[in-house]
Amino acid sequence: KAGVTQTPRYLIKTRGQQVTLSCSPISGHRSVSWYQQTPGQGLQFLFEYFSETQRNKGNFPGRFSGRQFSNSRSEMNVSTLELGDSALYLCASSWRSGTGDEQYFGPGTRLTVT
Amino acid sequence: GDSVTQMEGPVTLSEEAFLTINCTYTATGYPSLFWYVQYPGEGLQLLLKATKADDKGSNKGFEATYRKETTSFHLEKGSVQVSDSAVYFCALTPNTGNQFYFGTGTSLTVIP
Repeated sequence: KAGVTQTPRYLIKTRGQQVTLSCSPISGHRSVSWYQQTPGQGLQFLFEYFSETQRNKGNFPGRFSGRQFSNSRSEMNVSTLELGDSALYLCASSWRSGTGDEQYFGPGTRLTVT
Repeated sequence: GDSVTQMEGPVTLSEEAFLTINCTYTATGYPSLFWYVQYPGEGLQLLLKATKADDKGSNKGFEATYRKETTSFHLEKGSVQVSDSAVYFCALTPNTGNQFYFGTGTSLTVIP
């Protein structure tokens, strides 16, 4: 079974631009979560989508948004990029939501904002 | 709120040494607990999990026991190998959503 895939793997953007990252979960998984990983803040939860609905949201500004499609693929968008948005963005999928199931992570998208 | 506190690193051990990485948690209710490992340039891989008190998770020689009385989930391995060099994350989910709370990570380097 294929794992979680994320595209692109690397991205360089300029301050003020916007960016869209994509995540394809493991086949059959309906929950997709997004995390931001930085050396200073560690792994921080952005949001979770389950069956096309946002179920949980972390403490990030409204510039960070996401969506999920009917095939469970998910995208996250960051508008008006700031230098501090440079990070590794990780997507994770699981079969269910709210049941303590493990999450399976993708390799991440490395975003650099200049 | 829910949180995980993990032993600060980095940790450097000689091959075949015993490993312990401490992890304690704060949570309401009965969370599920996990250890994930991250190799350079990669995403996180599930190492082991435990879903209720006194459960022991194990995988690839690593073990951790869910201790509710001490709110701990310490990771242990009896004999580490060079290939175990990575960053280890302790995590919990409160079972009311899929939000995971991660510790800060402990970098382990094993030298031959």
